[in-house]
Amino acid sequence: EVRLVETGGGLIQPGESLRLSCIVSGFSVNSYNMTWVRQAPGKGLERVSLFYNGAKTHNADSAKGRFIISWDDSKNTLYLQLSALRVEDTAVYFCARGRPPPGPGAFDVWGQGTMVTVSS
Amino acid sequence: EIVMTQSPATLSVSPGETATLSCRASQTIWRSVAWYQQKPGQTPRLLIYDASTRATGIPARFSGSGFGTEFTLTISSLQSDDFAIYYCQHYKDWPSYTFGQGTKVEIK
Repeated sequence: EVRLVETGGGLIQPGESLRLSCIVSGFSVNSYNMTWVRQAPGKGLERVSLFYNGAKTHNADSAKGRFIISWDDSKNTLYLQLSALRVEDTAVYFCARGRPPPGPGAFDVWGQGTMVTVSS
Repeated sequence: EIVMTQSPATLSVSPGETATLSCRASQTIWRSVAWYQQKPGQTPRLLIYDASTRATGIPARFSGSGFGTEFTLTISSLQSDDFAIYYCQHYKDWPSYTFGQGTKVEIK
């Protein structure tokens, strides 16, 4: 079964760091484009970071210099390291899989999301 | 960055009727657009990709059309399960992509 499970969210203070995990089952994380998308409370979907073409990464402007996407083939897991967190980073963070075959496109499998709350 | 603008923000439709949702791109994106459905507290669900191709398992009452800068998602014979928020997404400038702000389809 193809499945994505995000973990690692929580309540954190401004300026601190957090690592989110997206545990992948049913396919190999390095064989697909994978992305992190966030959704602030009551707001729309916002691109955060992308892992594509098996080894490349691309961040949205809001994430550049603060967030790092990475992966571990042995654990078949995608990560998002969040640093210097701000109140406006408060959101549900989803991971999603690019629709096969790997290439530019839409995201066909989504996790349930993990909530990150940045507050003092 | 390409901006995707959805209209209307809210669409009130009676069950059984047809809903027509629009998405406009700030520059041509050819057919590089997808549509998603999201219900409250749930994860987004891919409906349409490449402007008009239904994703696996999506009912035929969902259809997408358009090319260039103007795109439409049509939901015919609306069912109670279809009341949700719908987002368009472009992927023309891969690896960059963006979502529209969403259209809420509510019961009239």
